[in-house]
Amino acid sequence: EAGVAQSPRYKIIEKRQSVAFWCNPISGHATLYWYQQILGQGPKLLIQFQNNGVVDDSQLPKDRFSAERLKGVDSTLKIQPAKLEDSAVYLCASSPASAGQETQYFGPGTRLLVL
Amino acid sequence: AQSVAQPEDQVNVAEGNPLTVKCTYSVSGNPYLFWYVQYPNRGLQFLLKYITGDNLVKGSYGFEAEFNKSQTSFHLKKPSALVSDSALYFCAVRDMDNFNKFYFGSGTKLNVKP
Repeated sequence: EAGVAQSPRYKIIEKRQSVAFWCNPISGHATLYWYQQILGQGPKLLIQFQNNGVVDDSQLPKDRFSAERLKGVDSTLKIQPAKLEDSAVYLCASSPASAGQETQYFGPGTRLLVL
Repeated sequence: AQSVAQPEDQVNVAEGNPLTVKCTYSVSGNPYLFWYVQYPNRGLQFLLKYITGDNLVKGSYGFEAEFNKSQTSFHLKKPSALVSDSALYFCAVRDMDNFNKFYFGSGTKLNVKP
């Protein structure tokens, strides 16, 4: 089975520019997560989708970050405008929604550097 | 509040010796506990999980973890470390009573020396 796909793998932008990341979860996985992982820290959940609905976005900086999962499959995360402190790895993960299938599977991540 | 603590930033062990990476948790309900490993420039890879049943859980690459409810711990162990085990290890807890939210620890860097 194919894993979680993310693109691009790397991105360098200047502050105040915009950037978008794409994620395609494992086929059939209803739950999709976006995490921000700053160097030396554990992943921090930004937003969680169940199908195309938002379950939790309490830690998403909504003044600059947005995410969507319009058809309940792939998802995009956007930052506009970017700040220096947004430099991090952005991880996408997916999991089935059914009981007994609790494991979360991660993509390779997108490494963002804001100059 | 739900949380996960990994008290050691780094663990050093000689190849062939047993290793332990510590994790404690705090959740309101029954915990679903996980260990993930992250190699440089790679995403997180699932190692093992505890949902219910036997407190000793076996996972990938010879790793195991022991769930201790009274101590609210879920330490990762391996009887004989390999140099290739050197990586960043994350403990995570899933709150199945709260929208299946995941909470990750800050990570422990495991260094296995030849």
